[in-house]
Amino acid sequence: SQQGEEDPQALSIQEGENATMNCSYKTSINNLQWYRQNSGRGLVHLILIRSNEREKHSGRLRVTLDTSKKSSSLLITASRAADTASYFCATGTSYDKVIFGPGTSLSVIP
Amino acid sequence: SAVISQKPSRDICQRGTSLTIQCQVDSQVTMMFWYRQQPGQSLTLIATANQGSEATYESGFVIDKFPISRPNLTFSTLTVSNMSPEDSSIYLCSVEVARQETQYFGPGTRLLVL
Repeated sequence: SQQGEEDPQALSIQEGENATMNCSYKTSINNLQWYRQNSGRGLVHLILIRSNEREKHSGRLRVTLDTSKKSSSLLITASRAADTASYFCATGTSYDKVIFGPGTSLSVIP
Repeated sequence: SAVISQKPSRDICQRGTSLTIQCQVDSQVTMMFWYRQQPGQSLTLIATANQGSEATYESGFVIDKFPISRPNLTFSTLTVSNMSPEDSSIYLCSVEVARQETQYFGPGTRLLVL
């Protein structure tokens, strides 16, 4: 079953703008991961944030985690056309399973 | 990290037949998983493939429909049995490497059932 919910479901921005996607979940987690998927292909792991971390950076990506609100956000700065993809948050629990949210479809217009 | 390959990459099958999907990893891994991604949807976990024992299935998935084998720490197969058009999906295997927590995904097998 899926426990993550993402919003927005779809986002369209101009190249160079920042894109923010949010993820909410329902139960306790060990970590939260963000993945990218281009056109129904395999998933690319972007970043993992542990439950005791509040913020993490990787290149143009910034992820925050608020365990009190059971939510996370992914910020992509200075977006590029190549960032066009679906983005999924996935929560990791103590049973090594990773449960995916419904995803956000991002379109970056050149 | 891990490099994962899947075979076949895509297939078109007839209703009532079965297809076996292979997943090969370039290193020994503890945890292997199988996911289904229906058209336009997110990923749903089918089962955890356990080495040397039966797979652990998620709610809504049963062994008769999705038998899984895992003969060693680098290889697993998922069979989609007695297929119907509703089984048309992308099937992905994933692995977790040595408690790194991160899961790495194979390229997926795109299945169309007519």
